[in-house]
This record gives sequence, C-alpha cells and structure tokens, in this order.
Amino acid sequence: GAVVSQHPSRVICKSGTSVKIECRSLDFQATTMFWYRQFPKKSLMLMATSNEGSKATYEQGVEKDKFLINHASLTLSTLTVTSAHPEDSSFYICSAIPRQGAHNEQFFGPGTRLTVL
Amino acid sequence: AQRVTQPEKLLSVFKGAPVELKCNYSYSGSPELFWYVQYSRQRLQLLLRHISRESIKGFTADLNKGETSFHLKKPFAQEEDSAMYYCALNPTYNTDKLIFGTGTRLQVFP
Repeated sequence: GAVVSQHPSRVICKSGTSVKIECRSLDFQATTMFWYRQFPKKSLMLMATSNEGSKATYEQGVEKDKFLINHASLTLSTLTVTSAHPEDSSFYICSAIPRQGAHNEQFFGPGTRLTVL
Repeated sequence: AQRVTQPEKLLSVFKGAPVELKCNYSYSGSPELFWYVQYSRQRLQLLLRHISRESIKGFTADLNKGETSFHLKKPFAQEEDSAMYYCALNPTYNTDKLIFGTGTRLQVFP
C-alpha cells in the first residue's frame, strides 16, 4: 500500500514552453503533498508544500509564479513549470502523507526527469 | 538555521564489516529525525525514524542531542545494503516537511 505515482517519468521540452507534472496517491488519500527538486549528486531540496483545497506554501527562494502547484483533490497534485528554461532542467520528486496513517511518514514518487532544451 | 549534514559522500566496506553513516543536524528545537534509503532504480523510502527506536534490516540509529547527531549503524553489512542513504529532519511537528542531508552512498563489496 501507500503508492505514489508521477507522470510523466521524463519529459523533454523546448525553452519557453510550460510543462505539467502529475503526482498521484494511488491507494490512499493525501491531504498534504510535497514537491522536491534534486540536482545531480545533491540532496533533495523542498520546493513547496501542497495542501488539498488551499494554496501551496513555497520555500524561500522558490518562485511561485514559476512553479505553479495545484492540489485539487485528495489524490492529485500537479506542478507546472511555466516558461521553462534550461536551468529548470532537473529531477522533480513528489511525496505524499496519508490522511490516515503513521504520523509524518512521507511516501515518495519515482520522480520526473525534466530536460529543457 | 536548520540544516542536516552528512559528511561522507561515499562509504565503501566489505561484506560483514560494520557500517556507520554519519548525520549531524542543526536545529534549536526538539528534532524529529529520519533515515531514508534509495536503492538502485527505486524510489526513496523510509528506513527508520528516531521516535520508533526500532531496528530495520539490522540498522539502528540513536539520537544524541548532546552531539546533535543521528548516526546510522549496522554491525554486519550485506551486499544488498548498497544504496543511497539520506538523513532528514522534520523541523516542526505542525508542517511535516523534511530537510534532507546530501546523502551518503554506501557500497558493500562481496
């Protein structure tokens, strides 16, 4: 149980286009989801906390207009990278906390590799 | 500032040797600490948390508030333990968010 999926697994886009990444909790409801960014050989950097039915909370230094997050249902959160540029190329990972379950345990998606040409 | 430090990028040992992956944290409050593991081509998953005080796959970790450390230990490493290990801190109980260290790659040779 507690499986999180991401779609697409990898995407290549042209500079200036927008890309949407989906994060789904497949067998549980998640009131809270998180979006991370991972640079090569570096740690996961928390970008934002996504709460169902409310605005996302962004970490310092993360542009909310650049990285749009929508958490419209208890099983889906989306991250849209707007007007993508090569520096946005990265590995994006989401995680979700079950609505009912062990306190604080985050379940991670497999990640999405974004390459902006 | 809240920070998690894993000083070793790579730790290589032979099968059967003891393993200690170091983690130090910087946090003024009462921390909640975790170890996550990522096996090759798999997603990140929780290995253990300090409040559980449990042993998972032979690994244990003790929170030392005096040294602000949460080192991960295993007395006898196995080849299947080879993976990336991330130490993480939950800075506040209200938000559940995690601050990750940079990770340590453990290689266990046969």
